[in-house]
Amino acid sequence: KQEVTQIPAALSVPEGENLVLNCSFTDSAIYNLQWFRQDPGKGLTSLLLIQSSQREQTSGRLNASLDKSSGRSTLYIAASQPGDSATYLCAVSGQGGSEKLVFGKGTKLTVNP
Amino acid sequence: NAGVTQTPKFQVLKTGQSMTLQCAQDMNHEYMSWYRQDPGMGLRLIHYSVGAGITDQGEVPNGYNVSRSTTEDFPLRLLSAAPSQTSVYFCASSQAWGLLVVTFGSGTRLTVV
Repeated sequence: KQEVTQIPAALSVPEGENLVLNCSFTDSAIYNLQWFRQDPGKGLTSLLLIQSSQREQTSGRLNASLDKSSGRSTLYIAASQPGDSATYLCAVSGQGGSEKLVFGKGTKLTVNP
Repeated sequence: NAGVTQTPKFQVLKTGQSMTLQCAQDMNHEYMSWYRQDPGMGLRLIHYSVGAGITDQGEVPNGYNVSRSTTEDFPLRLLSAAPSQTSVYFCASSQAWGLLVVTFGSGTRLTVV
């Protein structure tokens, strides 16, 4: 059974700092890995998707990497801003596709002005 | 706006009552899924569908029914509500090919008393 772990569970940083969020998964037979953002009381917003054949994806100040063989992904946020404060969720899909995502429990990020 | 629409946003039920959570998407996505989000448990898959007329169970299906008569709609039925079903419910959809980016609805917060 696929299990996804996110470390740390919570992180508080000063504005402007670069930071890394970690995600690990137990079964390397994944189709893709997605990083989501969730604001309090809201739904999930897709940030980055990495196909299993890719090593990284970038969008603005965000960079996600994937090492499928070791079962790890990182989300790098450059020059953090208070508006980045949210919970970040990592999810993997199996070979069947994205109708069945397995989620980590998330990292709650607080960026202090 | 295109996306996944969930109704209602909030609901309070008495134990034993039944209800249907509605989910509709206008992106012509083949895949649709229901998740529940509980504190400390993360998001867990309840049921999913890979196309009209096709549904299957996820990790926590007990107490819930689904049907998919059209591509657009994927309602989730609670047969006899229990306090353990107090949760936030999210509907999601994605294409069956390509990048498989998953789009989530804004959620339904359900309380069973």
